[in-house]
Formats: sequence, structure tokens, C-alpha cells
Amino acid sequence: DTAVSQTPKYLVTQMGNDKSIKCEQNLGHDTMYWYKQDSKKFLKIMFSYNNKELIINETVPNRFSPKSPDKAHLNLHINSLELGDSAVYFCASSLPSVSDTQYFGPGTRLTVL
Amino acid sequence: SQQGEEDPQALSIQEGENATMNCSYKTSINNLQWYRQNSGRGLVHLILIRSNEREKHSGRLRVTLDTSKKSSSLLITASRAADTASYFCATDTGTASKLTFGTGTRLQVTL
Repeated sequence: DTAVSQTPKYLVTQMGNDKSIKCEQNLGHDTMYWYKQDSKKFLKIMFSYNNKELIINETVPNRFSPKSPDKAHLNLHINSLELGDSAVYFCASSLPSVSDTQYFGPGTRLTVL
Repeated sequence: SQQGEEDPQALSIQEGENATMNCSYKTSINNLQWYRQNSGRGLVHLILIRSNEREKHSGRLRVTLDTSKKSSSLLITASRAADTASYFCATDTGTASKLTFGTGTRLQVTL
């Protein structure tokens, strides 16, 4: 009955590799997000999609490319991984109202060696 | 840029005591939300307070909002060991459902 799920939970990879993280929500929400949480626990939004359309794209390097095949899925592909990409990446979803609660996935801990 | 800053960064109390954490923000908001994050887990929504509200309760949680001072506080009464977690405030400025999170307060409740 997981509401927002992410795979994988842990990802360890070498610098320069390309990797993907997948997110799925079964809440029927229209809006999905990717956040990055750094080692100091600071949480920053990266992208937001509403019904498969990109609506927020913060100043994220273009090595990061989100893809939303349908409104229940939002994947994150990262090219040419760098050491600074090491972080926990959270997916979240919400209804499209500006006042709505966001529901977070369990996170994917990415370690770049 | 970071919207919310939380104070204190860390708080250690004993079970049964009250815990108060504060959040300050910089720009006008539609609402302010509080989230909890247990170690190694995702964030969980606790409570939302709208810009035209001053106080809200939910179980052992009490949130206040002072828009003139651009600040909010979260009070957890009669704390339990299970309340040990990081607590984040998040502000909604009305831009495309975007939430901007604060720096978080790490709460430790000891037996």
C-alpha cells in the first residue's frame, strides 16, 4: 500500500557513470517532485511536473533530466555523475493546489565514488 | 535561496517535557507547513497553517504563525521517545505548488 515509492533505495556508483532513479505514486496526484537533500539535511527542490508537464526547473545542471511517462511516474536520469551529486534524492507528490500537502517517498541514497 | 531558518538546530529533552522549535522566513507566504523526518526516512506532513490563521492544533502539536514577524513555532507537548526526529518548516509562496524548506531542527527525546 506504499503511497510514493522509489527505486533503488541505495545507489553506489563511480564518477562519470549514468544512472536513473524511478518514482511511482498511487495516490492519484497530478503533481510530482524531485528534491535533493545534502549531507547537512538541507532539502532543495529540483523539478516539479504537473500531469506530465514540467512546471518547476530550479537551477539544476542539465546532466539531470527528469522524465514523466505518465502522471503516476517521475524518473530522474543523471549523466556523468560527479562527487557532488552524492546526496539523498526524494520524490514527492501532491494535488495541484498551491496549498496542498506533499507526500514523500523513502528516498534514494546516491553515493558517487 | 533558502526561505526558512529554524532555531534551534538541535534540541535534547526528556520524555514528558515540551519541545518548541521556531521557523523564520523571508517573503510573503500562502501557508506554512511542518514536516517530520525520522532518520533514514522520507518526510511526513504534520500540520499546515494558512497565512490568515494564527494558531492551529493537531493532537499534541500546536503551531503558531506571526506573519508580521515572518515566523512560526511548533510546540510538541508531553514529548515521547518516538518524537525523536528532524522537524522542518516549509513555506508555500504560491508559486506552482513549490515548497521551500527550512534548515531543520533535530529533536532528541530521551527516556
